[in-house]
Amino acid sequence: DGGITQSPKYLFRKEGQNVTLSCEQNLNHDAMYWYRQDPGQGLRLIYYSQIVNDFQKGDIAEGYSVSREKKESFPLTVTSAQKNPTAFYLCASTGANTEAFFGQGTRLTVV
Amino acid sequence: SQQGEEDPQALSIQEGENATMNCSYKTSINNLQWYRQNSGRGLVHLILIRSNEREKHSGRLRVTLDTSKKSSSLLITASRAADTASYFCATDRSYNTDKLIFGTGTRLQVFP
Repeated sequence: DGGITQSPKYLFRKEGQNVTLSCEQNLNHDAMYWYRQDPGQGLRLIYYSQIVNDFQKGDIAEGYSVSREKKESFPLTVTSAQKNPTAFYLCASTGANTEAFFGQGTRLTVV
Repeated sequence: SQQGEEDPQALSIQEGENATMNCSYKTSINNLQWYRQNSGRGLVHLILIRSNEREKHSGRLRVTLDTSKKSSSLLITASRAADTASYFCATDRSYNTDKLIFGTGTRLQVFP
């Protein structure tokens, strides 16, 4: 089945530690996105990529990094520079002028 | 910055009533989309309306788009308790970049 998969579902990070969230899609979509969602809030764009080996910052990129070495994969690293990383992270992909498909999200908690 | 802003932020209704949510945006768009999110889950696409369309239907959903006012509305008719969720609008163009930007969402509660 075609879809988009995020892993892990839950992730715990210690202070000062970098962690990487995985996002994989087999929909042959060019564009991929990472969003952050805080409780009761909307989605804020962290990074997006329209094509392999290229990506752009969204509205809240500070403290995050991404790579797009393969069309299918768009991992997000939450670095120690992100001072308040506890949130729900959502990955999405889109084709040209089509709807976005979302993963089930990763809930990151700082311990 | 948010491209889309929904109102109301929260809406509570009884089963069988209609629910209307509104979305306003700031720039020209190719299309506008509505999504649903159950608590703690990913978003699910509901309906897409292109900039040259004014109204679209899908089952109990009706979406309108007014590009002159840069606004859209989502109407859910004959609501059910299972419609309880957050609803978001999203636009595909913000200041001439093709990033997908979501609004702040409307939290809908349907009481049985």
